[in-house]
Amino acid sequence: AQKITQTQPGMFVQEKEAVTLDCTYDTSDPSYGLFWYKQPSSGEMIFLIYQGSYDQQNATEGRYSLNFQKARKSANLVISASQLGDSAMYFCAMRSYSSASKIIFGSGTRLSIRP
Amino acid sequence: DGGITQSPKYLFRKEGQNVTLSCEQNLNHDAMYWYRQDPGQGLRLIYYSQIVNDFQKGDIAEGYSVSREKKESFPLTVTSAQKNPTAFYLCASSILAGDAATGELFFGEGSRLTVL
Repeated sequence: AQKITQTQPGMFVQEKEAVTLDCTYDTSDPSYGLFWYKQPSSGEMIFLIYQGSYDQQNATEGRYSLNFQKARKSANLVISASQLGDSAMYFCAMRSYSSASKIIFGSGTRLSIRP
Repeated sequence: DGGITQSPKYLFRKEGQNVTLSCEQNLNHDAMYWYRQDPGQGLRLIYYSQIVNDFQKGDIAEGYSVSREKKESFPLTVTSAQKNPTAFYLCASSILAGDAATGELFFGEGSRLTVL
């Protein structure tokens, strides 16, 4: 069975500091993709970054990078130089390509940036 | 503009009533999804569909039903059998993942259902 685990319900970080949000996953499928989404208080879901299981390099998108450690089954999101606008819920998600494109989410981490 | 439209944005329902949430997309995506989100919680998958006239149960399908008669539309019915239907419902779509595509989800703005 597939599972996504986010063990940090909430985090407080000082503005301009870097922050790492943890995500571990479990799947028996050799081919899968991992996603991170941001959900501000408005409720919209914003796609941040993607990592494929066969990608050789860690994904980066601007201030976001994904620390992918396949052997440990972890896909942590790193936000560099945090900003007040980064305060939101963050969700890790996984797509397993052999399971009819089913996508599941973790329970999320609420990130709060202090000025 | 291309996107996903969910309606209504807010809905109130009496216990024992069925209610249908609408989801329409004009992104020409093959796959569509319904998720439920409770306050402070993650997204739980209700149903998903890869092609017209076919759909699969997610992790919490009991008390819900869907149809996929058109590629653009994937309505969700919350039936009276759903014991705790008050929640935020999110519809999403994606291309079918392939070698050259991430297949990320595109989300609607959500529908907030409250049972009185």
